[in-house]
Amino acid sequence: AQSVTQPDIHITVSEGASLELRCNYSYGATPYLFWYVQSPGQGLQLLLKYFSGDTLVQGIKGFEAEFKRSQSSFNLRKPSVHWSDAAEYFCAVGTRANNLFFGTGTRLTVIP
Amino acid sequence: DAGVIQSPRHEVTEMGQEVTLRCKPISGHDYLFWYRQTMMRGLELLIYFNNNVPIDDSGMPEDRFSAKMPNASFSTLKIQPSEPRDSAVYFCASSVRLLRGLETQYFGPGTRLLVL
Repeated sequence: AQSVTQPDIHITVSEGASLELRCNYSYGATPYLFWYVQSPGQGLQLLLKYFSGDTLVQGIKGFEAEFKRSQSSFNLRKPSVHWSDAAEYFCAVGTRANNLFFGTGTRLTVIP
Repeated sequence: DAGVIQSPRHEVTEMGQEVTLRCKPISGHDYLFWYRQTMMRGLELLIYFNNNVPIDDSGMPEDRFSAKMPNASFSTLKIQPSEPRDSAVYFCASSVRLLRGLETQYFGPGTRLLVL
């Protein structure tokens, strides 16, 4: 069965510091992988996605993620965090049936 | 493009009342999804439609929940009767299927439901 694990419930970083949010997935076939961001009181916005090809994927707002099949991971990174990046981040795996399975999310706090 | 539209944005009701949540997907999208988000269970898929037909409703918690999609531009999620444990944020999302099999889901702003 498919599942997504985000081991970090809450992360705090200083503004300007680098960021890495972890995501591990379990899926029997080639995964479709997504990162979404949710600001307080808002819906989910797509940051980036991986379907195939280059394993390093660039997204919006300066985010990138790397797909590592051997580690079943799809970690999200940003070299320099801005205060506006404070939000909740969700990793998701998509199936061929068009379902999305979400992780439990990682809440990011940015310290000035 | 206006994106996925949901109404109402907030709903407060009393236990036992009927609640109807509404969703307008992005024009041209043939998949529509209903999700529920709670602190305890995170984001859960309740049901999804393809070309207005329900494909998988295994996530619907119980018979009190029902969803319809009478046409390509409108869907409802109804709870009757509502209970306090139904309090959550309900999201609607839509997507279009491409030849490669999957496309991005675009989410609406959600309906925040509080059942007293």
